[in-house]
Amino acid sequence: EPEVTQTPSHQVTQMGQEVILRCVPISNHLYFYWYRQILGQKVEFLVSFYNNEISEKSEIFDDQFSVERPDGSNFTLKIRSTKLEDSAMYFCASRQRLQVSYEQYFGPGTRLTVT
Amino acid sequence: AQKVTQAQTEISVVEKEDVTLDCVYETRDTTYYLFWYKQPPSGELVFLIRRNSFDEQNEISGRYSWNFQKSTSSFNFTITASQVVDSAVYFCALGAAAGNKLTFGGGTRVLVKP
Repeated sequence: EPEVTQTPSHQVTQMGQEVILRCVPISNHLYFYWYRQILGQKVEFLVSFYNNEISEKSEIFDDQFSVERPDGSNFTLKIRSTKLEDSAMYFCASRQRLQVSYEQYFGPGTRLTVT
Repeated sequence: AQKVTQAQTEISVVEKEDVTLDCVYETRDTTYYLFWYKQPPSGELVFLIRRNSFDEQNEISGRYSWNFQKSTSSFNFTITASQVVDSAVYFCALGAAAGNKLTFGGGTRVLVKP
């Protein structure tokens, strides 16, 4: 069964460093998302992406964040200058637009630790 | 604005007991979708069930069943005859029209003891 994959599974970085989190959505999906979950808290929406542009973003998604679909398969989240409070689990999700059901399929997550 | 509330933070049961998880939502959209996701200790988010706002028929799928009541904006989820493998955090989520983000509740941790 097709699945969303994410790399790396765990990333440790120093405050102020740039990180890129990578995702490979399900191949025939057209909507892509990033969410984050601070340890022990709820899952929060960051950004949605469709047709090579951001369709919606949350207040969390400020200028230090960016997303890109550099080729036909990868979907990346870049954090330019990481802060301690960026430590969280980051989930990528994708959805097939034409499907009647609207569930988003989530990847296994990347745990980001900022020290 | 959308909001999802899961009032129960943690539920502990003994194996084979039934578990019902409460979810209350707020939205101004007339068409929306409700979901339950499971997050086991390994951390991934697993889709369980979906319900559309225009279909209030309640269903059963294996050991899972759900009760959607539009009049009270509730979307409760029941695990029948719980098993230790059901131990996880369960999230209720709300999505509006196609392509939109999911708004998650705070989650309910379910602990099933043998």
